[in-house]
Amino acid sequence: AQTVTQSQPEMSVQEAETVTLSCTYDTSENNYYLFWYKQPPSRQMILVIRQEAYKQQNATENRFSVNFQKAAKSFSLKISDSQLGDTAMYFCAFMKPDYGQNFVFGPGTRLSVLP
Amino acid sequence: DTEVTQTPKHLVMGMTNKKSLKCEQHMGHRAMYWYKQKAKKPPELMFVYSYEKLSINESVPSRFSPECPNSSLLNLHLHALQPEDSALYLCASSQRLVDTQYFGPGTRLTVL
Repeated sequence: AQTVTQSQPEMSVQEAETVTLSCTYDTSENNYYLFWYKQPPSRQMILVIRQEAYKQQNATENRFSVNFQKAAKSFSLKISDSQLGDTAMYFCAFMKPDYGQNFVFGPGTRLSVLP
Repeated sequence: DTEVTQTPKHLVMGMTNKKSLKCEQHMGHRAMYWYKQKAKKPPELMFVYSYEKLSINESVPSRFSPECPNSSLLNLHLHALQPEDSALYLCASSQRLVDTQYFGPGTRLTVL
């Protein structure tokens, strides 16, 4: 079974600064997808960024980018120019493209952006 | 439109009640999901419907019963729940199983 680990339960960053959230995973699969989801205090889960394992290029979405190291099974999220609205719980998630119970979330990192 | 709607937003029920949660999407997605999320924990997958085929997390008790009347609607029927079932229930959908999941706002369930 796949497992996802986020070693930082809580982090804080000053507004406008850069922060990196860590995620590691364990799998024997070669083809899979990785995600970062954000859950603000309002509780709506929102997709931040997605990475296909077969793509070597790191995904980027505006101020959000990832550092995907397939051999190390590492998938960190970098948030540049942090904004107050980035305050949320961030979940790293693993998905195997197969039918069934194939979507696993990490335990989450609570990020606070300070004014 | 990437909207998944869930009703009700809040639900309080007794252990002998029967209630249902509703989830709807109009994005033409063919896969829909139910998750349970306890406070300060990640969501846990309960059920997956894809192309009218149901996949169940074997740890989910039978007092939870999913129903998919059509490809845009997913219900979760609740019967004889326990207080430990109190949680946020999230619905999600995706175009296919391999695609990005879009989540609804959730139903906050309290079992007394």
